[in-house]
Amino acid sequence: GAVVSQHPSRVICKSGTSVKIECRSLDFQATTMFWYRQFPKQSLMLMATSNEGSKATYEQGVEKDKFLINHASLTLSTLTVTSAHPEDSSFYICSASFLAGAQGETQYFGPGTRLLVL
Amino acid sequence: AQSVTQLGSHVSVSEGALVLLRCNYSSSVPPYLFWYVQYPNQGLQLLLKYTTGATLVKGINGFEAEFKKSETSFHLTKPSAHMSDAAEYFCAVSGISGTYKYIFGTGTRLKVLA
Repeated sequence: GAVVSQHPSRVICKSGTSVKIECRSLDFQATTMFWYRQFPKQSLMLMATSNEGSKATYEQGVEKDKFLINHASLTLSTLTVTSAHPEDSSFYICSASFLAGAQGETQYFGPGTRLLVL
Repeated sequence: AQSVTQLGSHVSVSEGALVLLRCNYSSSVPPYLFWYVQYPNQGLQLLLKYTTGATLVKGINGFEAEFKKSETSFHLTKPSAHMSDAAEYFCAVSGISGTYKYIFGTGTRLKVLA
């Protein structure tokens, strides 16, 4: 149980285009979803937290107009990288949890999406 | 500032040897603690977690970890390493300063030698 999927697993795009990444909780309803970015051989950096039906909360330094997050349902959150540039190339990972804002709540991670912007 | 420290960015062990990956946190209030494993180009898989209760926690794939409040530690161990254990391991905490967000350690890459 508690499976999270991401699509696509890998995407290559030209500079200036927008890319949408989907994160789905397959067998549970995820009240809260998180988006992380991971640079090579580094840890995960939290970008934003989204709760179903409300606006995402972005971490300091993350441009909300560049990284648009939508959490339209209890099983789907999307991250859109707008006007992508080479510096946006990275590994993006989402996670989902059952309970909104519950301390100690486990996050279940998706397999990640590797974005390469040419 | 609250933080999570994983000593040793790279650890090598022989197949069959003890695995010990270290994790220390800085917080006056015991947080919730997690260990995740990441295989190349994949997401994170939960190995085990500590919330309350018994301080020795058993997880998947033969791993276990012990929460030691006095040492602010949550080290991960496995009695006998297997080649398939080679991966990146992340310690994470939540509940610090009342937040449910994870704070991740920098990760430890485990290499298992034949």
